[in-house]
Amino acid sequence: GAGVSQSPSNKVTEKGKDVELRCDPISGHTALYWYRQSLGQGLEFLIYFQGNSAPDKSGLPSDRFSAERTGGSVSTLTIQRTQQEDSAVYLCASSLARGRRAEAFFGQGTRLTVV
Amino acid sequence: AQSVTQLDSQVPVFEEAPVELRCNYSSSVSVYLFWYVQYPNQGLQLLLKYLSGSTLVESINGFEAEFNKSQTSFHLRKPSVHISDTAEYFCAVSALGYSTLTFGKGTMLLVSP
Repeated sequence: GAGVSQSPSNKVTEKGKDVELRCDPISGHTALYWYRQSLGQGLEFLIYFQGNSAPDKSGLPSDRFSAERTGGSVSTLTIQRTQQEDSAVYLCASSLARGRRAEAFFGQGTRLTVV
Repeated sequence: AQSVTQLDSQVPVFEEAPVELRCNYSSSVSVYLFWYVQYPNQGLQLLLKYLSGSTLVESINGFEAEFNKSQTSFHLRKPSVHISDTAEYFCAVSALGYSTLTFGKGTMLLVSP
């Protein structure tokens, strides 16, 4: 597609369940990011993938959060044993490369509600 | 590490009035600066960016921002706003050579007739 695609757009899950959020980046973009947007908190960096390099996981809030990127394209963010504080909009973005050309294009996000 | 401060969580203005959304950043290294806009129920879109060169950058819809290194600021301005400018605006910074963006908490611009 022309832009970053995220699915599902909305997800309601029960506390304690695992969820998987999917991101399809723009074709050819080597960099992929996950952010979390909570009400009044702005955007919080979670994880960054660049090509075949080891991902930067420094923003993951706990070991319940993990992400993978298969074949340098699609990425999946997994949250295990979800908690109510995990409720937020999870945004994925992709960009061409590092440095000055690194304009990030964002998807529409997945709104996660943990009940 | 970098940080971004957007002092105003909400800015209400009347249509056709000027507006300034404030952004200050902190960084020990040189940075790139960005403003993103999020319209209701939509994703983030890049509004404008400062990479190098002229410290005044403009967007296609009349917004401009000026990089002020001495004041570590990158305030966003528009001389006359429209109802359609109602959105949340995020200032962001990334260190040179590193792509991860650090965002401010956002400023909600509310334009009323």
